[in-house]
Amino acid sequence: NAGVTQTPKFQVLKTGQSMTLQCAQDMNHEYMSWYRQDPGMGLRLIHYSVGAGITDQGEVPNGYNVSRSTTEDFPLRLLSAAPSQTSVYFCASTYSYTGELFFGEGSRLTVL
Amino acid sequence: EDKVVQSPLSLVVHEGDTVTLNCSYEVTNFRSLLWYKQEKKAPTFLFMLTSSGIEKKSGRLSSILDKKELFSILNITATQTGDSAVYLCARSGNTPLVFGKGTRLSVIA
Repeated sequence: NAGVTQTPKFQVLKTGQSMTLQCAQDMNHEYMSWYRQDPGMGLRLIHYSVGAGITDQGEVPNGYNVSRSTTEDFPLRLLSAAPSQTSVYFCASTYSYTGELFFGEGSRLTVL
Repeated sequence: EDKVVQSPLSLVVHEGDTVTLNCSYEVTNFRSLLWYKQEKKAPTFLFMLTSSGIEKKSGRLSSILDKKELFSILNITATQTGDSAVYLCARSGNTPLVFGKGTRLSVIA
């Protein structure tokens, strides 16, 4: 029973490098989202998707790109990593905006 | 921008104490208020509240929503060291969940 799977769990990047955080869910949820969590800041929404082919920006979208080609997958791309993007990233999915969010285990990213 | 404000931001109590965590929100198109507990990893779901005045309860934890005054409280009775965590509240509307900054609860023996 996989739920939401994120990879990698840890990553260290140098400033200017690019990378993709992978997220996959097997619950057939239409709604998927990416959050970042920094100390004392709670969870802040980066991008979200309401279905395959549909994405939108959240509160802190700058420096990130997403696409949703299938219901299952929602990768997050860092185009040119900056130290300010050092954070823990959570992917989440749900069946409804009103419902419980199901989280992946998180990806800890450090940008040097 | 819709805001969710939690208070206090941190709290230290002794085992056996009762604590009340607060969450206020300002939003139109409100649908539900959710509480999560976060220890070392991803948040885990506690409660979802949609109606005013109806208490939800799970063991020593309970929560209630006041839609008129736009706030919710999370109560934990007879606290244990295992309750030490960050407690997050979030509101749902027409967009994905908007979270508060969380309350860090530390329970000391």
